[in-house]
Amino acid sequence: SQTIHQWPATLVQPVGSPLSLECTVEGTSNPNLYWYRQAAGRGLQLLFYSVGIGQISSEVPQNLSASRPQDRQFILSSKKLLLSDSGFYLCAWSKLDSNQPQHFGDGTRLSIL
Amino acid sequence: AQTVTQSQPEMSVQEAETVTLSCTYDTSESDYYLFWYKQPPSRQMILVIRQEAYKQQNATENRFSVNFQKAAKSFSLKISDSQLGDAAMYFCAYRSARHTDKLIFGTGTRLQVFP
Repeated sequence: SQTIHQWPATLVQPVGSPLSLECTVEGTSNPNLYWYRQAAGRGLQLLFYSVGIGQISSEVPQNLSASRPQDRQFILSSKKLLLSDSGFYLCAWSKLDSNQPQHFGDGTRLSIL
Repeated sequence: AQTVTQSQPEMSVQEAETVTLSCTYDTSESDYYLFWYKQPPSRQMILVIRQEAYKQQNATENRFSVNFQKAAKSFSLKISDSQLGDAAMYFCAYRSARHTDKLIFGTGTRLQVFP
């Protein structure tokens, strides 16, 4: 069966520090991968998605970037965090077929001080 | 662009009763998929139910069922025999059959279940 792992679960970082959140999927190949951000009391906002290695699409301009160095690895990064980067970050995967739902990781709660 | 609207920020229900969560969406496409996700306090997003727009029959998963009204662009979730474990945020989501990479979420409805 397929599983998705996301870490760390929580992270507290000072303003201006770098960021690296990692997400890996097991049990499937060539998944679509996604990064979402959920602000407190809000819905999910799609940040990035990837349909293959090295292929990244950005949905909103921001202080963050994403990379996909391997088929089942998706990384969310920042060189310098802003206070507005605080939130709950979720990684998700899906198969290419539109009929298939997205499956989410457990999320990372990021607090910027 | 497609949008998803959940007009009920909060709902409450008594244990064993039935509750319906509303969702409307806007799209010019005829082929798409709709989902309900549950996010309990643990924050994990769990798929509850999904509906293909080309199917007229409403989807059902145990105590969860939907009322899909394509012409009205409405996709409500009915939870029967509510349990304490149903307490969570519920998100309605839309995905185009053509642009399969994007899942568009509503803002969510927080469901409280009282004993």
